[in-house]
Amino acid sequence: DGGITQSPKYLFRKEGQNVTLSCEQNLNHDAMYWYRQDPGQGLRLIYYSQIVNDFQKGDIAEGYSVSREKKESFPLTVTSAQKNPTAFYLCASTILNGGGDTEAFFGQGTRLTVV
Amino acid sequence: QKEVEQNSGPLSVPEGAIASLNCTYSDRGSQSFFWYRQYSGKSPELIMFIYSNGDKEDGRFTAQLNKASQYVSLLIRDSQPSDSATYLCAVNGDNQGGKLIFGQGTELSVKP
Repeated sequence: DGGITQSPKYLFRKEGQNVTLSCEQNLNHDAMYWYRQDPGQGLRLIYYSQIVNDFQKGDIAEGYSVSREKKESFPLTVTSAQKNPTAFYLCASTILNGGGDTEAFFGQGTRLTVV
Repeated sequence: QKEVEQNSGPLSVPEGAIASLNCTYSDRGSQSFFWYRQYSGKSPELIMFIYSNGDKEDGRFTAQLNKASQYVSLLIRDSQPSDSATYLCAVNGDNQGGKLIFGQGTELSVKP
């Protein structure tokens, strides 16, 4: 079955530690996104990528880094510079066909907690 | 001004009533508009998308788009307790550089 897989589902980070969240899709989608969601809030865009080896900052990129070495994979690293990383992280992907019908498919999310 | 704005709610309606959810957006170049439903602790799931002005119906759901006024709405007829969730409006278009922008979501509670 095609879809997006995020791992792990739950992640605990110690102060000052970098952690990497995995996102893999087998939908052959061009674009991939990382969003952060805080309790009772909407989705805020961290980074997005429309093509391999290229990515753009979203609204809240500080303290995060990404890579897009393969079309299927878009890992997110939460660095020690992100002072308040506890949140629900969602990865999504879309087709880019110029027609505007860019429905986003989501992974099941990773809940990150600082301990 | 936020790019996509929704009333955060909560919106409470009785079972069987019509729930009306609204969303406004700032970029006139936006082309496609999506409504997602998100249950607590879960990832969003697509309910409907709309590209053209007017209404689009799918079962109990109707999406309405007015590009001149820059708003999109979602009507849920015969609301059920299982419709209780957060509803997210999302907008995409060339002027957003291909990125999908979400509103903050409206929490809907349907009371039996």
